[in-house]
Amino acid sequence: GENVEQHPSTLSVQEGDSAVIKCTYSDSASNYFPWYKQELGKRPQLIIDIRSNVGEKKDQRIAVTLNKTAKHFSLHITETQPEDSAVYFCAPLINQAGTALIFGKGTTLSVSS
Amino acid sequence: DGGITQSPKYLFRKEGQNVTLSCEQNLNHDAMYWYRQDPGQGLRLIYYSQIVNDFQKGDIAEGYSVSREKKESFPLTVTSAQKNPTAFYLCASSIVTGRNYGYTFGSGTRLTVV
Repeated sequence: GENVEQHPSTLSVQEGDSAVIKCTYSDSASNYFPWYKQELGKRPQLIIDIRSNVGEKKDQRIAVTLNKTAKHFSLHITETQPEDSAVYFCAPLINQAGTALIFGKGTTLSVSS
Repeated sequence: DGGITQSPKYLFRKEGQNVTLSCEQNLNHDAMYWYRQDPGQGLRLIYYSQIVNDFQKGDIAEGYSVSREKKESFPLTVTSAQKNPTAFYLCASSIVTGRNYGYTFGSGTRLTVV
C-alpha cells in the first residue's frame, strides 16, 4: 500500500504546552489531508482537515499545515489540556484508492497536569 | 450510534469458523469501508465500496470477504483463511461528491478467536 508515516509515535507534554505531530506521505497526487482523534475505547473522530489548495487551517486550539512540495502535513495543538490525551491519526486520501483513506500508525499524546 | 451501527460489539470465533460482522448506515452515504485495528498498527484498510454491487480490496483483504447488495449495508465475513483474526474491526462511511471525504465511524466490533 501507499506509505504514510507519522512521527513521533508517542508524545508527552505538560498541560499548557504545544504539541506537533508530523505526517509524511508518498502519493504526490494526494489532495485531502485529515487528522483523526481516537480516545481510549472509542471510535476515531475527525478533528480537522485540509485540502491541497490551502496551506494552513485553524480551528481554535488546533491547526493543520500542509507542505505539498515536501509531501508532509502536521497537526498543531496549542495550550494542551488533559482531555487532549488520545491517539491521533493522519489519513491522507490516496487517489489510487478512490475515496479510501490510508491511516498512519498513530501518535499517542499524553498531557499531564 | 451516530447513523452507523456495527454489531455485535464483541464476537468470539472458534478455529475454522467463518463469522460475519454487520455494518449498517442510515446516512445515505455512498461509500463504505472496513478497517482492522491492532495495537500499534493504526487502521489498515480491508475492503471498501463506493457504490452498490461494487467493492475493491484494500491492503489486507486476504481471508476476508464483503458484499454490498444495499446502499445501507456492508457486511464483512472473516473466513477461516484469515490466520490471525483477533482484532478490533471498524466500519466507516462517507459521501463521495462535493469533495467531502470525512468519515463517520461505527463503534467497532472486537473479534476474538477462542
